[in-house]
Amino acid sequence: DAGVTQSPTHLIKTRGQQVTLRCSPKSGHDTVSWYQQALGQEPQFIFQYYEEEERQRGNFPDRFSGHQFPNYSSELNVNALLLGDSALYLCASSLAPLGQGGGYTFGSGTRLTVV
Amino acid sequence: AQRVTQPEKLLSVFKGAPVELKCNYSYSGSPELFWYVQYSRQRLQLLLRHISRESIKGFTADLNKGETSFHLKKPFAQEEDSAMYYCALSDYGNNRLAFGKGNQVVVIP
Repeated sequence: DAGVTQSPTHLIKTRGQQVTLRCSPKSGHDTVSWYQQALGQEPQFIFQYYEEEERQRGNFPDRFSGHQFPNYSSELNVNALLLGDSALYLCASSLAPLGQGGGYTFGSGTRLTVV
Repeated sequence: AQRVTQPEKLLSVFKGAPVELKCNYSYSGSPELFWYVQYSRQRLQLLLRHISRESIKGFTADLNKGETSFHLKKPFAQEEDSAMYYCALSDYGNNRLAFGKGNQVVVIP
C-alpha cells in the first residue's frame, strides 16, 4: 500500500499563474482533506472532500478550489497565485464517516514556490 | 473557535532525560486530541490520540479536561525522538484538525 501519494513533489510558479496539485488517497479511504503548511508554521486546514463534494472549508479565499473524482482522488487548484501562497501543501485521507481527525493519513506534500 | 497552544517552540533534552511537551486547548464542544510527529524529511504521522489511551514509542499523553491539557510525556528520551511534534484538536464528528504551532525537540547525545 503506497499510502497517500501527491504530485508533483515540487513546483515553481510565477505570481498570477494558476496551479493544480494532485492527491491519491490511501487504499480504502474515501475522504480527502487539504492543508497548507507555510515554512516554519503549523498546517492550516483548507477544505475537505467527500462523495465528490466540498464538505468543509477553512479560512481560505475562493482562489483555492478543489475537486474529488469518483475514484476518490482529488485536486487542489489555486488561481491568481500570490507570493504568500508559497508553502507545503499536504493532502490527508481518511475513511468517512469516521468523524475523527485521528484517522488521517498524510502525504509527503507538494512544495509550491511562487516567484 | 478551537485553539491549540504549545508554549515552547524548541526543546532540547539530553538522551535519557524525561521529555514533556505541553499542550493546552480551548474548545467548548467535545474535542478529540492528538499528537502528530514529523521526523526530518518525513511525512506527518499520527503518534497518539487520546481516545486510544495507548503508549507509542514510549510516549504517553493524558487528556485533562479540567485543565484543558493534553501534555505529551516520555520518561527517557532517545536520539530518534528528535522531531517536530504537533498537538492537534478535532471536534468529534468534524474530521478537521486544528494544529498547535509545534514543538521542535532536539535530543542531545
